[in-house]
Amino acid sequence: DIQMTQSPSSVSASVGDRVTITCRASQGINSWLAWYQQKPGKAPKLLIYAASSLQSGVPSRFSGSGSGTEFTLTISSLQPEDFATYHCQQANSFPYTFGQGTKLEIK
Amino acid sequence: QLQLQESGPGLVKPSETLSLTCTVSGGSIRSSSYYWGWIRQPPGKGLEWIASIHYSGSTYYNPSLKSRATISVDRSKNQFSLKLSPVTAADTAFYYCTKLTGRPVDAFDIWGQGTMVTVSS
Repeated sequence: DIQMTQSPSSVSASVGDRVTITCRASQGINSWLAWYQQKPGKAPKLLIYAASSLQSGVPSRFSGSGSGTEFTLTISSLQPEDFATYHCQQANSFPYTFGQGTKLEIK
Repeated sequence: QLQLQESGPGLVKPSETLSLTCTVSGGSIRSSSYYWGWIRQPPGKGLEWIASIHYSGSTYYNPSLKSRATISVDRSKNQFSLKLSPVTAADTAFYYCTKLTGRPVDAFDIWGQGTMVTVSS
């Protein structure tokens, strides 16, 4: 199985800050990586697919980059509604696997 | 607008069978491009993909479940289902039904609201 490792596990930031979350794959996955946002008690929501493509309806302050084994999710200017847990997921090969999640908290 | 809704018992006894159904509304399960599936999340933990199925019956499973999982589709009811047997306390989790966008991208773009299943005697 391909292991996905996110860093950091948690991060504290303020409204207006720029935040970057990293996801590393244990082997190359081309650009087949997705990012999800999950708020407490809710299902995850797709933000980014194919490493850098923004899902319809997702604000442009979210962006993704990377290929191979290292990927990043960047939020350019944090808004109050962005405080949540973020998950990465590889779609290169079954079994599809997720990172352990990164909790974004208000400083 | 495509929507997914999980249904099934919230409490299952150890060694018994967990059975969940996902009803697809606002669209047909017969789309040639999509796979439908299940993901679970133990409380406070990460996401685990369980299995996915195409309406034609083609399936993929997570080997970590060691053949305990069975996914199936009912085209006449626009539903797909998950059975997991036998269950232990480690199977206690939120279970989400999902839709995949299609290869090669394969992101989970539609999710049900999730249903909590507790395994306990």
